[in-house]
Amino acid sequence: DAKTTQPPSMDCAEGRAANLPCNHSTISGNEYVYWYRQIHSQGPQYIIHGLKNNETNEMASLIITEDRKSSTLILPHATLRDTAVYYCIVRPNNNDMRFGAGTRLTVKP
Amino acid sequence: ETGVTQTPRHLVMGMTNKKSLKCEQHLGHNAMYWYKQSAKKPLELMFVYNFKEQTENNSVPSRFSPECPNSSHLFLHLHTLQPEDSALYLCASSQGQGNTNTEAFFGQGTRLTVV
Repeated sequence: DAKTTQPPSMDCAEGRAANLPCNHSTISGNEYVYWYRQIHSQGPQYIIHGLKNNETNEMASLIITEDRKSSTLILPHATLRDTAVYYCIVRPNNNDMRFGAGTRLTVKP
Repeated sequence: ETGVTQTPRHLVMGMTNKKSLKCEQHLGHNAMYWYKQSAKKPLELMFVYNFKEQTENNSVPSRFSPECPNSSHLFLHLHTLQPEDSALYLCASSQGQGNTNTEAFFGQGTRLTVV
């Protein structure tokens, strides 16, 4: 039970912004939204996380809706190396992170 | 380099063998995790240790036996495995249970093949 819903796959043109959506309609008030990505057969890589406010770091931006029932990960200028499976995770108080199927993002030249 | 190191990176073992996977972190974290990722499947949480105590066992068969001697080291002992246990085994660490505002870091995994 991953508590999140993501599209199975998306394409994005190189140099354009990649917007990856995630639905988490059952999220509780104190649960954070985390995003990770996994490049083929490597360990998942942390991208960003947030609670209520939008967040930005050197990798991406995270936009969380006001009702917190959905969020969007934005990669502002996608490159071919951003091709990966992206996981949206709602992290409960017990700290355990459970992964869903994620979104396979393919960045095309 | 995430600060979480797993060894070996690749392992081939027979069904009657006994082997161990090792995970080490020097990030000062108190929670450590084992995940299994079979081909084309999502990561499955296997075990969670918090301050060296096991807090989660997701109905994992007894042929997988975890050990956490201290907060920096985590082992997964393997014996009499089946071919369907072939997978990528990932270790992760994070701040202790209850600290949900800090990210977890993953190792690069051990690719296990059971023949």
